[in-house]
Amino acid sequence: AQTVTQSQPEMSVQEAETVTLSCTYDTSESNYYLFWYKQPPSRQMILVIRQEAYKQQNATENRFSVNFQKAAKSFSLKISDSQLGDTAMYFCAFMKRGNNDMRFGAGTRLTVKP
Amino acid sequence: DAGVIQSPRHEVTEMGQEVTLRCKPISGHNSLFWYRQTMMRGLELLIYFNNNVPIDDSGMPEDRFSAKMPNASFSTLKIQPSEPRDSAVYFCASSPWTSGGYNEQFFGPGTRLTVL
Repeated sequence: AQTVTQSQPEMSVQEAETVTLSCTYDTSESNYYLFWYKQPPSRQMILVIRQEAYKQQNATENRFSVNFQKAAKSFSLKISDSQLGDTAMYFCAFMKRGNNDMRFGAGTRLTVKP
Repeated sequence: DAGVIQSPRHEVTEMGQEVTLRCKPISGHNSLFWYRQTMMRGLELLIYFNNNVPIDDSGMPEDRFSAKMPNASFSTLKIQPSEPRDSAVYFCASSPWTSGGYNEQFFGPGTRLTVL
C-alpha cells in the first residue's frame, strides 16, 4: 500500500517570501504520479502541480515548483513570492499510473502573513 | 463547463436519519469518485466508478454506506442510518479515465454533513 506523509501540520510565511512544503511517500511502484492540491477556505480542491515519476525534470507552474527526489521518495513544493491568496491547506497526493486510487497526505496549513 | 456539481452544500440531520448526497460529474467524464474529509483521517477515497460500474469500494466504512451510479451523469452516496461520527465533508470528483495514462480528477465543492 502507498502512504503519503506530510510532516508539517502548519507553516507560515511572510508575503513575497519563499516557502517549501515537505512530502514523502512510500511505494514499491516505479510508475506513478505525484500531486500537490490546494484547498482554500472555500473548501474547493484545486490542483496546483503534477509530476510524473518517469520524468527527471522537476515540474514548474508559475510561482510553484517541486523538488522531486525519486530515490529518496521525496516531493516538496516550493512557493515563490508568496501571496495572501496562497493561504490554504496543501495536500500532497500519490497515484499509481493507470490507477484511479489517489492517496492523500494529512495536509499542511499554510498561512501567508502580510 | 459547470464543473462537478454536488448537492446539498450543507446538510444537518439527526442521528438515525437517512442522508443522501448527490453528484453530477463533468459531462464526458467516465470516472467518478467519492471522498470523505475529516480532521482525524484526512481525505479518504470511499469508492470509485468507471463507466457507471463500481470498481473499488474498499474505502466504504461500513454497510451503512452505499453508493450508486445509475447513469453517466448522476451518482448518490447514501448513509442509513447516519451517526454523529459520519460528520465530515464529502467530495465528489470526476475524471476522463483512460487506462495506462494520467487522468486528472476534478473535484466538486463538497457537501458538509453534520449529524447531531
